[in-house]
Amino acid sequence: GQQVMQIPQYQHVQEGEDFTTYCNSSTTLSNIQWYKQRPGGHPVFLIQLVKSGEVKKQKRLTFQFGEAKKNSSLHITATQTTDVGTYFCAGHRYGQNFVFGPGTRLSVLP
Amino acid sequence: EPEVTQTPSHQVTQMGQEVILRCVPISNHLYFYWYRQILGQKVEFLVSFYNNEISEKSEIFDDQFSVERPDGSNFTLKIRSTKLEDSAMYFCASSGGTGRAEAFFGQGTRLTVV
Repeated sequence: GQQVMQIPQYQHVQEGEDFTTYCNSSTTLSNIQWYKQRPGGHPVFLIQLVKSGEVKKQKRLTFQFGEAKKNSSLHITATQTTDVGTYFCAGHRYGQNFVFGPGTRLSVLP
Repeated sequence: EPEVTQTPSHQVTQMGQEVILRCVPISNHLYFYWYRQILGQKVEFLVSFYNNEISEKSEIFDDQFSVERPDGSNFTLKIRSTKLEDSAMYFCASSGGTGRAEAFFGQGTRLTVV
């Protein structure tokens, strides 16, 4: 079945440093979504990428969808303590429901 | 802002008992989902529901589980004969369209089986 992997599993950064998490699918995706889950909270939708090679930005967050539509990345510039949480990608294949990756847990040291 | 609501927020049950987790999806949404997250682990898909029937289910969603939309607003997950390993956070989500639309998650129900 479809597998979605993410690296790293954990990332500790100093406030102000950049952070990147990578998402890889075993199969070609129709679209990919990114969610953020704060400690003790529920997943909250961040963005959806649909097109091959697509890049989208939300303030300090940059999302990219690979040319082959099998991988994606989320980059945060100049992290803040409010960025703390687990970032999940969720890959969707045509006709199927999306599958979440295991997540990258980000901690930001002030 | 519309939101998905789940009740109860925390449920403690004895092993072997049946539990029903309740969800009220966003009113104009058509697709409903249940996910499970064991503490510290990833979010796992259980089942999706559309047009009053299951559209897809994972291998986790075996005969122990069932879903129902008993009326126009509620969406329930029933777990029969609970086991210790069923302890997890259960999230309900809804979306306006399948796959290409963002899913809105409820706050979750923490199920503890003792």
